[in-house]
Amino acid sequence: AQKVTQAQTEISVVEKEDVTLDCVYETRDTTYYLFWYKQPPSGELVFLIRRNSFDEQNEISGRYSWNFQKSTSSFNFTITASQVVDSAVYFCALTGPGGSYIPTFGRGTSLIVHP
Amino acid sequence: GAGVSQTPSNKVTEKGKYVELRCDPISGHTALYWYRQSLGQGPEFLIYFQGTGAADDSGLPNDRFFAVRPEGSVSTLKIQRTERGDSAVYLCASSLTGRGLAGALRGGELFFGEGSRLTVL
Repeated sequence: AQKVTQAQTEISVVEKEDVTLDCVYETRDTTYYLFWYKQPPSGELVFLIRRNSFDEQNEISGRYSWNFQKSTSSFNFTITASQVVDSAVYFCALTGPGGSYIPTFGRGTSLIVHP
Repeated sequence: GAGVSQTPSNKVTEKGKYVELRCDPISGHTALYWYRQSLGQGPEFLIYFQGTGAADDSGLPNDRFFAVRPEGSVSTLKIQRTERGDSAVYLCASSLTGRGLAGALRGGELFFGEGSRLTVL
C-alpha cells in the first residue's frame, strides 16, 4: 500500500521568508514517482514537479526547490523569498505499481503568505 | 478550451436526488481520473478510465456511484440517491499516461479541472 503524509496542516509566513513543506511517503515499490501540486483558491490543482525514484538529484526552479531523500522517504519542497501569490494548498503525491499507478495524495499543507 | 473542463461548477441538490457531473478532458488524453475532495483533505481516488473502459473503480464508495466514458473522451460521474455525506468537490483529471502504458509513461502528471462542488441538503 502507498501512503503520503504531510504533517503540516497550515503554515503562515511573512512575505520574503523562506518556507519548507514536508512530505514523507511509504511504499514497497522500487520504482515510483513523486509529485507536488499547487491548489490556489480557484480550486484547480496545478502540477509543479515530478521525480522518479532513481533520480535523487535535487532540483531548483526559480524560487522553488525540491529535496528528495530516499533514505528518509522524504520529498520536501522549499519556497525561497515567499510571495503573497504563493498562498495556496500544496499537495504531495505518489504513484507506483504498488498502488496500481493510481496517484495517492497527501492531505495537503495550506500556505498563507502575509504581505 | 485547452484545459480540463468540468460542469457544473456548483450543484446544490436535495437528499435522495440523482446527480450527474461532467468532465471534458484535454484532447488526446487517454487516461481520465475522478477524485473526491472533502474540506481540508487531499484528493481521494474514485475511478480511473483508460480509453473507454473503467480500468479501476476500486475507489467508488458504494453502488450509488457510477461513471461512464462511452467514446473515450467526455466522462460523466453519476450519483444516485444522494446523501449529505456525498457533499464534496469532485475533481476530474486527465493524462497522456496511465497504467495501461509502458515504462515512464505510467507515472506522468495529471491535469486537473476546477472541480464540481456538490452540496447535498
